[in-house]
Amino acid sequence: QQQVKQSPQSLIVQKGGISIINCAYENTAFDYFPWYQQFPGKGPALLIAIRPDVSEKKEGRFTISFNKSAKQFSLHIMDSQPGDSATYFCAAFRGAGSYQLTFGKGTKLSVIP
Amino acid sequence: GAGVSQSPRYKVAKRGQDVALRCDPISGHVSLFWYQQALGQGPEFLTYFQNEAQLDKSGLPSDRFFAERPEGSVSTLKIQRTQQEDSAVYLCASSQGGNKETQYFGPGTRLLVL
Repeated sequence: QQQVKQSPQSLIVQKGGISIINCAYENTAFDYFPWYQQFPGKGPALLIAIRPDVSEKKEGRFTISFNKSAKQFSLHIMDSQPGDSATYFCAAFRGAGSYQLTFGKGTKLSVIP
Repeated sequence: GAGVSQSPRYKVAKRGQDVALRCDPISGHVSLFWYQQALGQGPEFLTYFQNEAQLDKSGLPSDRFFAERPEGSVSTLKIQRTQQEDSAVYLCASSQGGNKETQYFGPGTRLLVL
């Protein structure tokens, strides 16, 4: 059973546009939701993260929106740039004795000039 | 060090060979994790160490997979009698002290089993 569902699988956005990636989760015990950015041949790099007691978090051009009742969260990339072209993964972490991040399947973002 | 390092970066093995993958975590990080990332997929948890203690190995796919961290710093993931389905990128991550949720990943080792 896939615990974190991510969509879309791929996304093409024009330079300067807004990229939006969505994730949904089932386990209400999750209490930390990070987003990772991965370039080809590199490991995932932590981008931004949120806890369920906050509805939105913004860091530069990156914003996470969180809807606890719907068990959904999304990443918005404002003013998307070609350098943002990468694969993005949402993830979820359950505290209280758990150690693992549960990842979505990833979204390949291409920002075209 | 500045970040998590892994070696080798690439490994080609013949089916049936044993392989050993190394991870050097960020200096001072107590927690160390191994993940497996299949092509086009998100990372999947394999195992977790707190210092030298392996506290969770629930994600190891078979008894051919073995991990150790004998001195609480460097870790080695060993795969015995490799199979083609073991082909994947193996990622190591580390985190500070009690903060297990913020995990910093290394570049991974890409394993290809022929």
